[in-house]
Amino acid sequence: GQQVMQIPQYQHVQEGEDFTTYCNSSTTLSNIQWYKQRPGGHPVFLIQLVKSGEVKKQKRLTFQFGEAKKNSSLHITATQTTDVGTYFCAGNNNDMRFGAGTRLTVKP
Amino acid sequence: ETGVTQTPRHLVMGMTNKKSLKCEQHLGHNAMYWYKQSAKKPLELMFVYSLEERVENNSVPSRFSPECPNSSHLFLHLHTLQPEDSALYLCASSQGLAGAYEQYFGPGTRLTVT
Repeated sequence: GQQVMQIPQYQHVQEGEDFTTYCNSSTTLSNIQWYKQRPGGHPVFLIQLVKSGEVKKQKRLTFQFGEAKKNSSLHITATQTTDVGTYFCAGNNNDMRFGAGTRLTVKP
Repeated sequence: ETGVTQTPRHLVMGMTNKKSLKCEQHLGHNAMYWYKQSAKKPLELMFVYSLEERVENNSVPSRFSPECPNSSHLFLHLHTLQPEDSALYLCASSQGLAGAYEQYFGPGTRLTVT
């Protein structure tokens, strides 16, 4: 069945440094979604990517969908303490599967 | 506020108890979901309901029994649970079936089985 792998599992950065999390699927995806879960909170939808090679930006966040629609990345430029949390990708191929998430901590 | 509420927020139960988790969405969505979130594990999709009909059951043990009486309410009935069932149980809803639509999650119920 479809598997969605996400790396790294943890990332600790100094405030102001960049951060990237990667998501890889064993099968071609129809679309991919990204969610953020703050410590003690619940997942909150960030964005959905549908097209091959698509790139979307939300302020300091850049989301990419690979040309083969099997991988995706989320890049945060100049992290802030408010970026702390776990970032999940969720790949859809008639069956939505979440990655294990990347937990980001930011040192002020 | 996401428009999805869950009660109770915390629950401690013994292995012989019977309890129910409740989820309510105020968004007019047609699909609702139960997820299990354990430490160091991906979000596990348990059940999917679309227009009050169960469309997916991901090999969940029968000690978990879902109920969807209408499109706004979703229950998860629990009985004879095991300690390994301790986790955060998240409810979510979406306009249509997930994949094409973003999911809105509730705050979750933190379940501890003793």
